[in-house]
Amino acid sequence: NAGVTQTPKFQVLKTGQSMTLQCAQDMNHNSMYWYRQDPGMGLRLIYYSASEGTTDKGEVPNGYNVSRLNKREFSLRLESAAPSQTSVYFCASSQPGRLNTEAFFGQGTRLTVV
Amino acid sequence: GDSVTQMEGPVTLSEEAFLTINCTYTATGYPSLFWYVQYPGEGLQLLLKATKADDKGSNKGFEATYRKETTSFHLEKGSVQVSDSAVYFCALTTTGNQFYFGTGTSLTVIP
Repeated sequence: NAGVTQTPKFQVLKTGQSMTLQCAQDMNHNSMYWYRQDPGMGLRLIYYSASEGTTDKGEVPNGYNVSRLNKREFSLRLESAAPSQTSVYFCASSQPGRLNTEAFFGQGTRLTVV
Repeated sequence: GDSVTQMEGPVTLSEEAFLTINCTYTATGYPSLFWYVQYPGEGLQLLLKATKADDKGSNKGFEATYRKETTSFHLEKGSVQVSDSAVYFCALTTTGNQFYFGTGTSLTVIP
């Protein structure tokens, strides 16, 4: 089982460049998330999508856009990268239910903006 | 709003020592509680979970009990191994649509 797959695993961008981080899950989950992880700050939610066609801002949405292309895929776009966006980005998915299930995470994308 | 507070790290222990990582939470509803582990260069993996008060989650020798009266979910292991070196995150969800994570506790186990 692939679970949650993120691409790319590593990326170096120059300030002002754009890129899209891809995420796909094969567990038929309704909810998907993008987090960033920075030293000493844990995980911070950028955007989430409760279902296909819907997206909502999280704690740190500025500088990012997302697209829930279909139930499987949830992409994160940086339109004009800044050094402050140097981070590790994680995509996750979950299937809310009566006994709330856990979130499943991808392996992460390590992004450096120079 | 909902939140999780966990023990600051880093924590360094000798092999076979007892481990406790404290986690307390604030939630408006009835949360499910989780411990995740992150090994170097990897994503987060679920370690254990508990979905209601007094439940005990356990896996790989780790345990945590959902204590509603103290709003806590402390992680324990009786005898740590070098292979347990990782970052541990406490987390909760009340809706299944939003997860709240602690800042993580780095554990290093030395032989």
